Amino acid sequence: QKEVEQDPGPLSVPEGAIVSLNCTYSNSAFQYFMWYRQYSRKGPELLMYTYSSGNKEDGRFTAQVDKSSKYISLFIRDSQPSDSATYLCAMDSSYKLIFGSGTRLLVRP
Amino acid sequence: EAGVAQSPRYKIIEKRQSVAFWCNPISGHATLYWYQQILGQGPKLLIQFQNNGVVDDSQLPKDRFSAERLKGVDSTLKIQPAKLEDSAVYLCASSLMGGRPMNTEAFFGQGTRLTVV
Repeated sequence: QKEVEQDPGPLSVPEGAIVSLNCTYSNSAFQYFMWYRQYSRKGPELLMYTYSSGNKEDGRFTAQVDKSSKYISLFIRDSQPSDSATYLCAMDSSYKLIFGSGTRLLVRP
Repeated sequence: EAGVAQSPRYKIIEKRQSVAFWCNPISGHATLYWYQQILGQGPKLLIQFQNNGVVDDSQLPKDRFSAERLKGVDSTLKIQPAKLEDSAVYLCASSLMGGRPMNTEAFFGQGTRLTVV
């Protein structure tokens, strides 16, 4: 079993839709949870990070962490074609990032 | 602010050949990382430097991969000899300092896409 599981998609939605991206994990020692966005042929860029359980909002993006279920989510409101990218969840383990495999998102105009 | 610079952007080599990648981190960033990203997978940490010392190289295949960071600035990653399964994007990242949550501040370069044929 992988430490971090993420549905590879692709996920295709119409412009303006609410997008839900999710990851599950197995290591209860993870404390920091991050979401990265990676455009094609680019390096990942940090979108948001959350410490422990709870919600965090930044503009159209909301990150949720449920440590009891070992489940994290990223919600994108009013999705735009420019949001089309691969979204990677990542978790901190002993000062080392463990990445999910990424979910490819396509927002159709 | 200039980002993390990597070169070359693309490289095609035959198996058993050697190859080297170069990374120039963001100025002032003490921590430098090399990641390997195989197609369809998330990045996997190969090695992490704090200044010019190695913090973590537990996932670096040391029989064929080597890395150095001279003077705590630029870094090179070398593969010798290359195998077909080394085909991947090699990403360099840097962050300002160590300590949690250090990796939340990591900035990535565009990567070097390596194809081994």
